[in-house]
Amino acid sequence: DSGVTQTPKHLITATGQRVTLRCSPRSGDLSVYWYQQSLDQGLQFLIQYYNGEERAKGNILERFSAQQFPDLHSELNLSSLELGDSALYFCASTGTSGTGDTQYFGPGTRLTVL
Amino acid sequence: DAKTTQPPSMDCAEGRAANLPCNHSTISGNEYVYWYRQIHSQGPQYIIHGLKNNETNEMASLIITEDRKSSTLILPHATLRDTAVYYCIVRVNNAGNMLTFGGGTRLMVKP
Repeated sequence: DSGVTQTPKHLITATGQRVTLRCSPRSGDLSVYWYQQSLDQGLQFLIQYYNGEERAKGNILERFSAQQFPDLHSELNLSSLELGDSALYFCASTGTSGTGDTQYFGPGTRLTVL
Repeated sequence: DAKTTQPPSMDCAEGRAANLPCNHSTISGNEYVYWYRQIHSQGPQYIIHGLKNNETNEMASLIITEDRKSSTLILPHATLRDTAVYYCIVRVNNAGNMLTFGGGTRLMVKP
């Protein structure tokens, strides 16, 4: 158990809909990273937040957005969903002293867009 | 971050050591070698990381060549539960930067 939690585990929705994925980092971790893993693309970095502020952006679509709240949990919002958005979405956290910035991953959310 | 090259797949007999190679010939002096694994569709699991000295923990050993252009992850006594995709990643440590995953090595541990 990495200490990072993600909800829901599975999400099935239709094209055009909007969903929110939630991530709770390990206790004390300030940074949250979001990654997408689709069958044909592998693991791709989407976005990073540090203590509530956006720190870095990767291959994140304009239809996707994220935020980190004062309690440090993060949400990834996916809107106008397309079939190609079906994927596993992972979050990772870092920041606890003694571990450098080793990223620890959550169990992921499997999104299926029908 | 430096690019890495790993064999796409490897087999290992249960109980034997699994030696997973990684080439990172363009690694910079301040870049660390990280290893993660992903079992089926679970979240990637951190295994070990190092800069230039060999490292060992309860999961594995990491051997880095003197010129740092390649490394080997060693699972000393592989079990069926070690069947996974193993990713070698090089990155600057303590910079808060993201991980860049390549294709990894799919390790199949066979009875």
